[in-house]
Amino acid sequence: RKEVEQDPGPFNVPEGATVAFNCTYSNSASQSFFWYRQDCRKEPKLLMSVYSSGNEDGRFTAQLNRASQYISLLIRDSKLSDSATYLCVVNLDSNYQLIWGAGTKLIIKP
Amino acid sequence: DTAVSQTPKYLVTQMGNDKSIKCEQNLGHDTMYWYKQDSKKFLKIMFSYNNKELIINETVPNRFSPKSPDKAHLNLHINSLELGDSAVYFCASSPHRGTGASYEQYFGPGTRLTVT
Repeated sequence: RKEVEQDPGPFNVPEGATVAFNCTYSNSASQSFFWYRQDCRKEPKLLMSVYSSGNEDGRFTAQLNRASQYISLLIRDSKLSDSATYLCVVNLDSNYQLIWGAGTKLIIKP
Repeated sequence: DTAVSQTPKYLVTQMGNDKSIKCEQNLGHDTMYWYKQDSKKFLKIMFSYNNKELIINETVPNRFSPKSPDKAHLNLHINSLELGDSAVYFCASSPHRGTGASYEQYFGPGTRLTVT
């Protein structure tokens, strides 16, 4: 079983739709959680950290379910500029290493 | 005022050559990383330094040697380049421990290495 698993996609979604990404992690000792986005031929960029109580940043909402070892990212009212690969990332908090999912590619169509 | 910078951005070289990639961060972070992203787009950690000390050293051929002259710089030297080394190499940095955002990583633009 992979340490961090994501649906590989791609997700083809019309502009304005709501998109949900799911991610599961295998190590129950994981402490820190993040979503990154990576545009084609660019570096990964931090989208948002994920907090236990869930958090929202504009059109983006992240949720954490520790019991199920599950993280989600919801994008509302999707824009063409949201097209990218979304990476789920986990840290054990005992070292500096982040464990990266393989990413889910999102394509927003006009 | 680039936060994490890498040079060169593109590197095309022949098999057997030795090359270096340089990374600098001006964020005041204590920890720096090298990642490799191959054609399948999977991001794989290679090395990490914290205050010039090697803390992560994944299973990487010993042809790859990192060097951190100070905490703002982490360079990667590759000896005897092979075709399979072709990939994008990303440098990243993260703040020191004890802060709420200790493990958030900030990436450089990447170095696209092509070995022919």
